[in-house]
Amino acid sequence: GEDVEQSLFLSVREGDSSVINCTYTDSSSTYLYWYKQEPGAGLQLLTYIFSNMDMKQDQRLTVLLNKKDKHLSLRIADTQTGDSAIYFCADFERLTGGGNKLTFGTGTQLKVEL
Amino acid sequence: NAGVTQTPKFQVLKTGQSMTLQCAQDMNHNSMYWYRQDPGMGLRLIYYSASEGTTDKGEVPNGYNVSRLNKREFSLRLESAAPSQTSVYFCASSTRRVGYTGELFFGEGSRLTVL
Repeated sequence: GEDVEQSLFLSVREGDSSVINCTYTDSSSTYLYWYKQEPGAGLQLLTYIFSNMDMKQDQRLTVLLNKKDKHLSLRIADTQTGDSAIYFCADFERLTGGGNKLTFGTGTQLKVEL
Repeated sequence: NAGVTQTPKFQVLKTGQSMTLQCAQDMNHNSMYWYRQDPGMGLRLIYYSASEGTTDKGEVPNGYNVSRLNKREFSLRLESAAPSQTSVYFCASSTRRVGYTGELFFGEGSRLTVL
């Protein structure tokens, strides 16, 4: 089945840029997502990118997609302590019975140090 | 709008006990999902319901049952809890309206410990 992989931890200093990486195996992916999970909370959608795009920018967030290498990255500019969270990459799959499924990576714990 | 609401938020069970996790969404979404989250393993799909009246197995369905009670509600039942089912459980929902970009909307999670 589909596999999505991420590194488990990333530590950066406040004000630096953070880059979180993800690889996936499904070559037919249509949408790829980044979700953020703060401690004790559910997941919230940060941003998504459609598979025919190479890059998407949304304020401090930049998503890069390399379809050839099946590699997705999330860059957070000017990282703040409030960005400390777990970041999940997810891949879209349409289900035969209707609806859709997201396959999630393991999550990357981002720690922002002063 | 409350979005996706899960109850209970915390539960401790003994091995062999049963319980039901409840989930309700008020966004008129067609599809609902149950995921479990374990450290270092991300989120894994347990069961999903593409529309009212249908349910299907996900990656890790063993030991669980589900009921799509109506369009709003989707419950997850553990008939005989095992320590391996200690996890955080997330309910999610999604729509199928035109222009939908596939994202799921999540509840805040139910933290279950099986002793």
